[in-house]
Amino acid sequence: DVKVTQSSRYLVKRTGEKVFLECVQDMDHENMFWYRQDPGLGLRLIYFSYDVKMKEKGDIPEGYSVSREKKERFSLILESASTNQTSMYLCASTLGGADTQYFGPGTRLTVL
Amino acid sequence: QKEVEQNSGPLSVPEGAIASLNCTYSDRGSQSFFWYRQYSGKSPELIMSIYSNGDKEDGRFTAQLNKASQYVSLLIRDSQPSDSATYLCAVIPTGTASKLTFGTGTRLQVTL
Repeated sequence: DVKVTQSSRYLVKRTGEKVFLECVQDMDHENMFWYRQDPGLGLRLIYFSYDVKMKEKGDIPEGYSVSREKKERFSLILESASTNQTSMYLCASTLGGADTQYFGPGTRLTVL
Repeated sequence: QKEVEQNSGPLSVPEGAIASLNCTYSDRGSQSFFWYRQYSGKSPELIMSIYSNGDKEDGRFTAQLNKASQYVSLLIRDSQPSDSATYLCAVIPTGTASKLTFGTGTRLQVTL
């Protein structure tokens, strides 16, 4: 079975802090994704990566950056957290093409 | 116009009945379609994928795809209280490789 893990289930940070969210998958998947999910807005794509050291912006990249130094790990970085970044953050991975995306358990981030 | 549309619900069905969840999409060239189930506070988990017109059955679940009408549905037979969740429809639009576009989900309540 595919396993996607995220570094924290719950996280509380202060405005202006730098925040790192880590995602690791164990199935040698090529593609990895970061989403945020907010009530009424659904899942929105922040960034994705098709290969190591490769990244592309999704629909809402502002205020975020990413890093993929190793194939199995994809990190989401909030350079200076703001209250409007309070959300559920979900990482997903897929082998590629039209293959299924598998999700991690999510990180509920609260920025005070 | 939203790319993937779902009725937010809640859709309430009695235990043992058939639940019918519907989804429409705007990109006529879309080829890959997915249904995810998401329990409150949890991450999405795949129920079914469908790529060709017609029906695809897996246990109590049947996905139906009609590309001409740009419509995909999910039927849940013999609905159980454990089926109560939000169901997300997701589509891979034309030319977006493995990037999913999600609907905002339909909340299903199965009543005793």
